[in-house]
Amino acid sequence: NAGVTQTPKFQVLKTGQSMTLQCAQDMNHNSMYWYRQDPGMGLRLIYYSASEGTTDKGEVPNGYNVSRLNKREFSLRLESAAPSQTSVYFCASREDRGRLEFYNEQFFGPGTRLTVL
Amino acid sequence: AQSVTQLGSHVSVSEGALVLLRCNYSSSVPPYLFWYVQYPNQGLQLLLKYTSAATLVKGINGFEAEFKKSETSFHLTKPSAHMSDAAEYFCAVSPTQGGSEKLVFGKGMKLTVNP
Repeated sequence: NAGVTQTPKFQVLKTGQSMTLQCAQDMNHNSMYWYRQDPGMGLRLIYYSASEGTTDKGEVPNGYNVSRLNKREFSLRLESAAPSQTSVYFCASREDRGRLEFYNEQFFGPGTRLTVL
Repeated sequence: AQSVTQLGSHVSVSEGALVLLRCNYSSSVPPYLFWYVQYPNQGLQLLLKYTSAATLVKGINGFEAEFKKSETSFHLTKPSAHMSDAAEYFCAVSPTQGGSEKLVFGKGMKLTVNP
């Protein structure tokens, strides 16, 4: 049981290049999330997906697109990278079971460190 | 909109000293509250959570937090700091209904433990 996995771990891009960050979970969770972490800013939600086939914008969606490929996989795409997108990106999935003691616990991947030059 | 405030960005304690990390929430009704820990170069890991079952919540690694509605607070404590507690700690909030699938995080607090 690997939990939440992310690829790649590190990436350097030039301004204007595109790339896709991959995320997969093996916990049979319905909800998945993409966050970015910047110093002094905490984690900010980029996009989330409450179930296969649905996606919604979070706090900072501009410059990103997402795809919920199936229940396991949720990818984040940067179409034209900008230096402002230099950040650490985390994928997470959410425990959906109805019992209160499990409510809303999110499980995080190890992160992708992205630098845009 | 709900939010949490973690005042300051760094706290330093000596090994064996009390750890106190403050978190205040803003919500018209008591929300669900969480503390996450992030060790260097890793993802976030849940420490503990408040879901209205009990106001004093015990988590992993000897941490606990108390929900105080009158103070709109959910401060994290540990009686005796260990070197392995050095990490960044995030408080987070979610509503109990309407948008409850999302978490809103505080800006984080980096804990340093001195020998």
